[in-house]
Amino acid sequence: DSGVTQTPKHLITATGQRVTLRCSPRSGDLSVYWYQQSLDQGLQFLIQYYNGEERAKGNILERFSAQQFPDLHSELNLSSLELGDSALYFCASSVLPQETQYFGPGTRLLVL
Amino acid sequence: DQQVKQNSPSLSVQEGRISILNCDYTNSMFDYFLWYKKYPAEGPTFLISISSIKDKNEDGRFTVFLNKSAKHLSLHIVPSQPGDSAVYFCAASRAGGTSYGKLTFGQGTILTVHP
Repeated sequence: DSGVTQTPKHLITATGQRVTLRCSPRSGDLSVYWYQQSLDQGLQFLIQYYNGEERAKGNILERFSAQQFPDLHSELNLSSLELGDSALYFCASSVLPQETQYFGPGTRLLVL
Repeated sequence: DQQVKQNSPSLSVQEGRISILNCDYTNSMFDYFLWYKKYPAEGPTFLISISSIKDKNEDGRFTVFLNKSAKHLSLHIVPSQPGDSAVYFCAASRAGGTSYGKLTFGQGTILTVHP
């Protein structure tokens, strides 16, 4: 158990819908990262927050957004969902950027 | 652009022998490297890391070697155990810039350790 929690574990929804994925980092970790793992793309970095502020962005679609709250938990919002958004979404956390990242169990999203 | 590559999709090893997983990178700005292990339906689990100022780091059965001139790193598992069977990901990051803290992952190598 890495200490990073993610909810929900599974999510099934329809195209065009909007979902929110939630992540609670390890106690004491200030940085939160979101990654997407799809079959053909492997693990891809989406976005990073540090102590509530966005610090780095990867190839995150404009339909996706995230935020980190004062209690340091983070949410990833996916809207206007398409079939191709079906993937595993992982959250990771670290004390500071550039330190070892610990991953949560992931949320499996299926868009039908 | 695949900046981190694991060219072997799979590796099969006998229990008790050495497993060697390889990883190549192209971005010379990477200065921190990590190996993660992943079981199906679980998140990646951190195994071992190495900074670019070192060429070797050991932790129990796991040793990571870094060859900066060749832009190559490898993970050695000795002795291999059936419980080591999983997908192994190599990852790299760089300090500073707009990608600070971002991990770039290889495609993974499936390790199977036979009893």
